[in-house]
Amino acid sequence: NAGVTQTPKFQVLKTGQSMTLQCAQDMNHNSMYWYRQDPGMGLRLIYYSASEGTTDKGEVPNGYNVSRLNKREFSLRLESAAPSQTSVYFCASSTGSGGEQYFGPGTRLTVT
Amino acid sequence: GENVEQHPSTLSVQEGDSAVIKCTYSDSASNYFPWYKQELGKGPQLIIDIRSNVGEKKDQRIAVTLNKTAKHFSLHITETQPEDSAVYFCAASHRDDKIIFGKGTRLHILP
Repeated sequence: NAGVTQTPKFQVLKTGQSMTLQCAQDMNHNSMYWYRQDPGMGLRLIYYSASEGTTDKGEVPNGYNVSRLNKREFSLRLESAAPSQTSVYFCASSTGSGGEQYFGPGTRLTVT
Repeated sequence: GENVEQHPSTLSVQEGDSAVIKCTYSDSASNYFPWYKQELGKGPQLIIDIRSNVGEKKDQRIAVTLNKTAKHFSLHITETQPEDSAVYFCAASHRDDKIIFGKGTRLHILP
């Protein structure tokens, strides 16, 4: 089992460019999440998906869109990147029954 | 919505001593309290969790206590070792599919 995988590991964008961060899990989990981590701010939830075909906003959804492509995959899209979106992005998954969340290795994004 | 406060933001302890990290939460409906450890360059990993029907839980050198009346919970690490150096996050949840994290504590174990 690979667990939760994320691509790419690193990315540099110019302001206004778009990109999609990919996430996949092989644990047959129902729920998937996208977080951003900034120094001194902890982990903040951007969007989550409780099941295939559903998505909901978290604490900081502005500037992002998501797609739950199937049970395994949950992508995060930045339509027009801004310097404020420079961060480390983590994808996670869980059974959705109040249990452990499993995190991917993260994507370090820099917007110049 | 839920708000989780975590203290201290940085903690340095001598190897072999104990470390304590404290968190408070705002939503009295919260019933699940996990703790995550994040090593440099990696994603967070669950180290212990506790549910609201339990006051204390222990796993080897790690223990968590919960005071529902006061709405606070704590992580205790005894006999600290160099590999305990990391960032620790507390979290709280009352929904099965969503948790709110504290801002983290950077723990340094001094030789």
